[in-house]
Amino acid sequence: DAGITQSPRHKVTETGTPVTLRCHQTENHRYMYWYRQDPGHGLRLIHYSYGVKDTDKGEVSDGYSVSRSKTEDFLLTLESATSSQTSVYFCASQDSGGKRGTEAFFGQGTRLTVV
Amino acid sequence: AQSVTQLDSQVPVFEEAPVELRCNYSSSVSVYLFWYVQYPNQGLQLLLKYLSGSTLVKGINGFEAEFNKSQTSFHLRKPSVHISDTAEYFCAVTSPGKGSGYALNFGKGTSLLVTP
Repeated sequence: DAGITQSPRHKVTETGTPVTLRCHQTENHRYMYWYRQDPGHGLRLIHYSYGVKDTDKGEVSDGYSVSRSKTEDFLLTLESATSSQTSVYFCASQDSGGKRGTEAFFGQGTRLTVV
Repeated sequence: AQSVTQLDSQVPVFEEAPVELRCNYSSSVSVYLFWYVQYPNQGLQLLLKYLSGSTLVKGINGFEAEFNKSQTSFHLRKPSVHISDTAEYFCAVTSPGKGSGYALNFGKGTSLLVTP
């Protein structure tokens, strides 16, 4: 299994505060993703990265920013947390190129509660 | 644009009975299709995938799925379920995109509940 870890695993924060979630992978995968999971919505893509310093927006990017300064780390920042951002956040990584690279490996998730 | 519809939000089934979880997709280009399983308080684990070739795909834990291009479906089946199969199941679709890797578009999930 790919080594992909998320931190923290659980966090409670107050409305209006900035929050950063970290994703770390040890597989040297090129692509990394942040999803949020909400009941009745499945998983929705927030942002993704296709290389160091190369990132782009997904389906639900408003209120989120990301950074990737090293291959192994992908950070998700909520600039000013709102209650609508209470969710479970999953990071995923993926090798590059061709059919061999199509499986995405997921972290264990971060449960974020904004009060 | 691609999308996935999982036709059942919940599927209750008795242990040792067969089960089918339904998934339909829409896409204007060729697709890769996946089923992931999520056990309580865990991340997602790949069950199986269809990339090309044989339309019947076998995965882990005795699951299989059949790709039907004409019906744009990728239904998941298991001939005899166990209590331990109780979990959330997600169907997902992707296709190669410029710079985006193979970012997955997920369905809303089907909760499989297996009872004795």
